Order: sequence, then C-alpha cells, then structure tokens
Amino acid sequence: AQSVAQPEDQVNVAEGNPLTVKCTYSVSGNPYLFWYVQYPNRGLQFLLKYITGDNLVKGSYGFEAEFNKSQTSFHLKKPSALVSDSALYFCAVRDANAGKSTFGDGTTLTVKP
Amino acid sequence: EPEVTQTPSHQVTQMGQEVILRCVPISNHLYFYWYRQILGQKVEFLVSFYNNEISEKSEIFDDQFSVERPDGSNFTLKIRSTKLEDSAMYFCASSGSETQYFGPGTRLLVL
Repeated sequence: AQSVAQPEDQVNVAEGNPLTVKCTYSVSGNPYLFWYVQYPNRGLQFLLKYITGDNLVKGSYGFEAEFNKSQTSFHLKKPSALVSDSALYFCAVRDANAGKSTFGDGTTLTVKP
Repeated sequence: EPEVTQTPSHQVTQMGQEVILRCVPISNHLYFYWYRQILGQKVEFLVSFYNNEISEKSEIFDDQFSVERPDGSNFTLKIRSTKLEDSAMYFCASSGSETQYFGPGTRLLVL
C-alpha cells in the first residue's frame, strides 16, 4: 500500500519570502514522487518529480523539492514566493512497480502581497 | 507542447442516466488513467488501462463504471446509471513512463 500525508491544510507566506509545503510518503518499494499544482477550476499541472539520482530536484516556476529517504519526505520549496503562486498543491507518490498515483489531501498556498 | 484533452468540460445529468466522459491522451503514451476529485476533497484513483485492458482499479470503480479505448486516440469513461454521489471532477491522465500528465477535467453534476 502507498500513502501520502500533507500535514498542513493551508500555508500562508508573504510575497518575497521563502515557502515550504510539506509532504511525507509511504510506499513498499522505490518511490516515484511528484508535485502537482491546481489553480481554481483547472486541472492538475505537473511541477516536478523525483525518480532517482540527485535528491534536490528543480521544476517549473522556480520550485524545487528535496527527497529525504530517511525521513520519507519530499517537501516543496521556493526561495521567493510570488502572489501568483497562490494555488492548491498536491504531493503524489507511485511505487516504481505500480501504475496508479496516490495523492495527498492538498495544501492551499496563499501568498500575500 | 502535447497535452491531454477532455470533453465535455461540464456535464449536467439526471440521476440514473448514463454519461460518457471522453479523453484524448498524449499521442505516444501507452498508459491511461481516470481519477476523480469530489469538490474540496482529494484526488482519487479510479482505474488504469494498458494494452487494451484494465491493469488496476479501485473500490470506487464498481460495475457502474467502464472504460474503453474505442480507437487509436480516444479513451472513455462510462458511468451506466449515475448517482448523486458521482458528482465530481473527473480527470483523465496518460503517461509514457514515470510522469502522469492530466487533462483539464470534466465537471460532472448529477441532479
């Protein structure tokens, strides 16, 4: 079985400040980890992924995430938040040998000017 | 850049009616999926499809649901007799390898 936890329903940051959206996961095999962003009334937009290799992965719009195997975490980060980053963020995990993705409950990020 | 497309964007139907949601996956992808998101809730896996057959399905995907790839491009989700609780956003996704790319979704409202 695989699962994802996003412990924060909501994250509020001021524009220009760094942001972190937390994610922890559980899988039986090697994890494939993903972050997606959802703007209001829109679909899920792929941001970045960790498959193998370097623990720090960089994605779209200046976002990055760090894979930490010992803590089973994959936190999303950005050094300087923009108001336009305000959206719903989902962490997802797949077992390397499975097809489906399991999503976290989502974290609403609000960036205030 | 290739993308997954879905039609219709919105569908309103009466309880007990059949609906068919359509998806056009990215052309060279081989794996296809349906997920749903009930308003304000998490994204839930319904079914995965590979090589013209279902490879995995969730508890949600009961006998009322079916999927089909009727031709080389479309991938459909049929709900035979809709229930009120089927109201949700339905997302199609496709992948060639690790990353699943999602369509914009179909918002289904069952009255």
